[in-house]
Amino acid sequence: GNSVTQMEGPVTLSEEAFLTINCTYTATGYPSLFWYVQYPGEGLQLLLKATKADDKGSNKGFEATYRKETTSFHLEKGSVQVSDSAVYFCALSKAGGTSYGKLTFGQGTILTVHP
Amino acid sequence: KAGVTQTPRYLIKTRGQQVTLSCSPISGHRSVSWYQQTPGQGLQFLFEYFSETQRNKGNFPGRFSGRQFSNSRSEMNVSTLELGDSALYLCASAPGSGGPTDTQYFGPGTRLTVL
Repeated sequence: GNSVTQMEGPVTLSEEAFLTINCTYTATGYPSLFWYVQYPGEGLQLLLKATKADDKGSNKGFEATYRKETTSFHLEKGSVQVSDSAVYFCALSKAGGTSYGKLTFGQGTILTVHP
Repeated sequence: KAGVTQTPRYLIKTRGQQVTLSCSPISGHRSVSWYQQTPGQGLQFLFEYFSETQRNKGNFPGRFSGRQFSNSRSEMNVSTLELGDSALYLCASAPGSGGPTDTQYFGPGTRLTVL
């Protein structure tokens, strides 16, 4: 079946540090890939997405590139801020069949940024 | 445009009771999905509805059910509550046909506690 694996957390960084959160997936065909962020007490917000191989999603300084050859979608940001502290989820959706509406999520990575 | 709304935000029930949660999607969205979020199992897909039809269902017991109304509002019901049903229940809506490349927009969730 489909699965998403994220790097173990939590991740603790100082403000302005470089961030990488690794995400790899297992799926047949060409899934769409997403990064969602969850702030305390809130639902999930889409951060960025990519729907085909070699696409780069970007938003608010975050970037991720859909790498089919390594089945990866790593999240990066050049300079994190305290306000980026949250839980980050990598997810995939698979085309076709009975997969409507189903996102498969990784376990989430807790990011804490200190001033 | 108003976002996805869920009611109630918090709910406390006792074992054996049943509960109904409500979700109002973003205006114009016809696809509504439900997820359960727990610390142990993470985010798990429950089911998806489109134009009042359930198109996809996750691996949950029959105690979990849902429906969608003609205005796209959705409800989910859990009967005979168990302690393990304590979770954050998230609703998401998607534009268009709710296909795999369509972004899902999440509500703030309903926090259910079963005592």
